[in-house]
Amino acid sequence: AQKITQTQPGMFVQEKEAVTLDCTYDTSDPSYGLFWYKQPSSGEMIFLIYQGSYDQQNATEGRYSLNFQKARKSANLVISASQLGDSAMYFCAMREGLASKLTFGTGTRLQVTL
Amino acid sequence: SQTIHQWPATLVQPVGSPLSLECTVEGTSNPNLYWYRQAAGRGLQLLFYSVGIGQISSEVPQNLSASRPQDRQFILSSKKLLLSDSGFYLCARDRVGGYTFGSGTRLTVV
Repeated sequence: AQKITQTQPGMFVQEKEAVTLDCTYDTSDPSYGLFWYKQPSSGEMIFLIYQGSYDQQNATEGRYSLNFQKARKSANLVISASQLGDSAMYFCAMREGLASKLTFGTGTRLQVTL
Repeated sequence: SQTIHQWPATLVQPVGSPLSLECTVEGTSNPNLYWYRQAAGRGLQLLFYSVGIGQISSEVPQNLSASRPQDRQFILSSKKLLLSDSGFYLCARDRVGGYTFGSGTRLTVV
């Protein structure tokens, strides 16, 4: 079974609009962390936001917020006020328990249009 | 600084040739280090990780090997490259709250 599932291979959003990128995860470990990374065409991996399984509030970082629904095992990324520079691949990832390995989803390619 | 240095940025190698990709890290000592591969248009697959000098764990059977001769040095190698080894290789280190990644090496095996 896939540990991280991103069901949207590609998404389009108009500039200045908000967009939600979906991520669901599968784990039996009560302690885990969820991450979102952005990968522009240059290939670098840019850390965006982190949510711990015990965090009571949804994580926010500037225009990025993580809609964490623990019972549904979902950790969707919300980007508000999209900008052309947001066009990139976005990866959801999970770290389980004491392990430091990150498992990545297959990614969503976001295209911001005028 | 948690900077990761990876080189080369791009590499074109013939099938059957050897490979050596080097990753060096700055910052706190004894970091956990990782090699990931990303096939074109795909997600990241963990290849190897290391929790210390000389300690290597392999995640998937493959044509590649890894070594950690020094605390801040992580090397990915192959004796004979296959076409299927083409991809984007990323080195990463563990840090509080996630990973820091290197800039990657784009390998094309021809």
